[in-house]
Amino acid sequence: DTGVSQDPRHKITKRGQNVTFRCDPISEHNRLYWYRQTLGQGPEFLTYFQNEAQLEKSRLLSDRFSAERPKGSFSTLEIQRTEQGDSAMYLCASSFRESSYEQYFGPGTRLTVT
Amino acid sequence: DAKTTQPTSMDCAEGRAANLPCNHSTISGNEYVYWYRQIHSQGPQYIIHGLKNNETNEMASLIITEDRKSSTLILPHATLRDTAVYYCIVRAPGTYKYIFGTGTRLKVLA
Repeated sequence: DTGVSQDPRHKITKRGQNVTFRCDPISEHNRLYWYRQTLGQGPEFLTYFQNEAQLEKSRLLSDRFSAERPKGSFSTLEIQRTEQGDSAMYLCASSFRESSYEQYFGPGTRLTVT
Repeated sequence: DAKTTQPTSMDCAEGRAANLPCNHSTISGNEYVYWYRQIHSQGPQYIIHGLKNNETNEMASLIITEDRKSSTLILPHATLRDTAVYYCIVRAPGTYKYIFGTGTRLKVLA
């Protein structure tokens, strides 16, 4: 399968712990997005990378959230000092510049903060 | 702020056309309308996009009103596998931020 992959698929953590999620986009895709989705809601934009540069970050993203995309390949999303309100599905998507209208989504990482 | 408004849910009989409306009255002149769908427990999947003209592909048709304030996604012959949440999406002007909204839960009935 050469689609977008995310790891882990599920994560349960205690409040106050740090967590890190990984996204591997489709190999030739230079654009990468992170979204958060809570139950019954649509995905909510978190951040956008073009190659290794983080070009956009949602105001909703507190300073506890950080994302990186070293060398413009895989990306990581870290949440520090997790809170119960961080419980959600974290989705990664990638696209190719010439067809940027079509984002390919991964299966997501479901985070539960207890 | 850019936003979309869709009915919460709709039912459609199998084999009939499903028409899913979306209001995007705040869309700016050069921004596209995108439609994605999300089947339970999967990531969203691209369906179609458009700017001004009506569009059709192998999955669906997209009808955009002349004033661009609303659009309708048409699944011409709905099947049970089309049961999903359908999102009408716009991008906030001058940004890379895609606004999904809450979507329409389409249930195709046998």
